Amino acid sequence: EAGVAQSPRYKIIEKRQSVAFWCNPISGHATLYWYQQILGQGPKLLIQFQNNGVVDDSQLPKDRFSAERLKGVDSTLKIQPAKLEDSAVYLCASSLSAGTNTEAFFGQGTRLTVV
Amino acid sequence: AQSVTQPDIHITVSEGASLELRCNYSYGATPYLFWYVQSPGQGLQLLLKYFSGDTLVQGIKGFEAEFKRSQSSFNLRKPSVHWSDAAEYFCAVGRRERGGADGLTFGKGTHLIIQP
Repeated sequence: EAGVAQSPRYKIIEKRQSVAFWCNPISGHATLYWYQQILGQGPKLLIQFQNNGVVDDSQLPKDRFSAERLKGVDSTLKIQPAKLEDSAVYLCASSLSAGTNTEAFFGQGTRLTVV
Repeated sequence: AQSVTQPDIHITVSEGASLELRCNYSYGATPYLFWYVQSPGQGLQLLLKYFSGDTLVQGIKGFEAEFKRSQSSFNLRKPSVHWSDAAEYFCAVGRRERGGADGLTFGKGTHLIIQP
């Protein structure tokens, strides 16, 4: 079974530029998550999708971050404009559904460096 | 809101010795609890999870964890560590009202170093 795919693996941009990350979840997984992991910290949930609808985006900085999941499969996370403090690893995860006894499977992440 | 505390930022253990990583959580009800491991440059891999039932949970790679409601703890243990266990370990809590995988809140992690 293929895992969660993310691209690119690494990205370096200057502050105030824009950047986009892509995620392809495990086939059949209805729920998709984006997490931000700053160096030395645990992942923090940014947004959760159930199919193509947003379930939770309470921790997403909506003035600069946006995410979409068209057709309920792939997802993109965008930052515009980027700030230095956005430097982090962005992890995508998916799960079968938002129900009991389900677990989230994580991709390898995209490491973003803002200079 | 829920929270997770991992009191130990770094732990050094000799190869073959036993291991215990501490995790304390704050949540208004019985939570869903998870332990993940992250190797350098890799994503998170689930070691084990607690949803209900037996409070001693067995996971992959010889790990186990025990849920203690009275102490709000979910400590991870392994009787004998291997050099390949060196990694970052994260404890996480999920909100029970939204299901097992929803809205995970992670601790800051414990970096495990294995001495030869």
